[in-house]
Amino acid sequence: DADVTQTPRNRITKTGKRIMLECSQTKGHDRMYWYRQDPGLGLRLIYYSFDVKDINKGEISDGYSVSRQAQAKFSLSLESAIPNQTALYFCATMVKEGETQYFGPGTRLLVL
Amino acid sequence: RKEVEQDPGPFNVPEGATVAFNCTYSNSASQSFFWYRQDCRKEPKLLMSVYSSGNEDGRFTAQLNRASQYISLLIRDSKLSDSATYLCVVNDVGSNYKLTFGKGTLLTVNP
Repeated sequence: DADVTQTPRNRITKTGKRIMLECSQTKGHDRMYWYRQDPGLGLRLIYYSFDVKDINKGEISDGYSVSRQAQAKFSLSLESAIPNQTALYFCATMVKEGETQYFGPGTRLLVL
Repeated sequence: RKEVEQDPGPFNVPEGATVAFNCTYSNSASQSFFWYRQDCRKEPKLLMSVYSSGNEDGRFTAQLNRASQYISLLIRDSKLSDSATYLCVVNDVGSNYKLTFGKGTLLTVNP
């Protein structure tokens, strides 16, 4: 079984709809992250969390919100999706600062 | 100045070739360095960490030059399966969260 899973893997939605992307991990890591990846722009950090009570904005948090329901679960919501949120979204986990990150398989989102 | 800059690529090389990727970073306080590999439409995966003394893993060699704030990755005897995007990644001590990713360099190894 994969250590970091994301659901759904692909999603098509319409402008204005609310959607949630979910991430679960079995690695037991406290730190979890949400990134988006766009062609030519690389990976950009949306939100990150060090534990259930610690949520922090990344560099592009506008239009997104997150929920850390448990150590193992970190969800990303788009409250009112817009076309420029079309991207590949990755969840990642990390043991501690200075260590590597482990990525989920990604969610490909298309907003029409 | 961008925080992590990589060769823009793409690189197209024949099987068996040696190819080198370069990366520079802007924060002199950066402490941890990595190369990740990302296959098309897949998640990034750690290829190797980069240590000050340089390190080697089979056909892959990573070098770090702190004075020049420069990281490199050398792939010898390249295989078709090496075709991927290679991401240079830097972690800054005290940044709390931040792994900074380069935009990546696409490598295609041709038969």
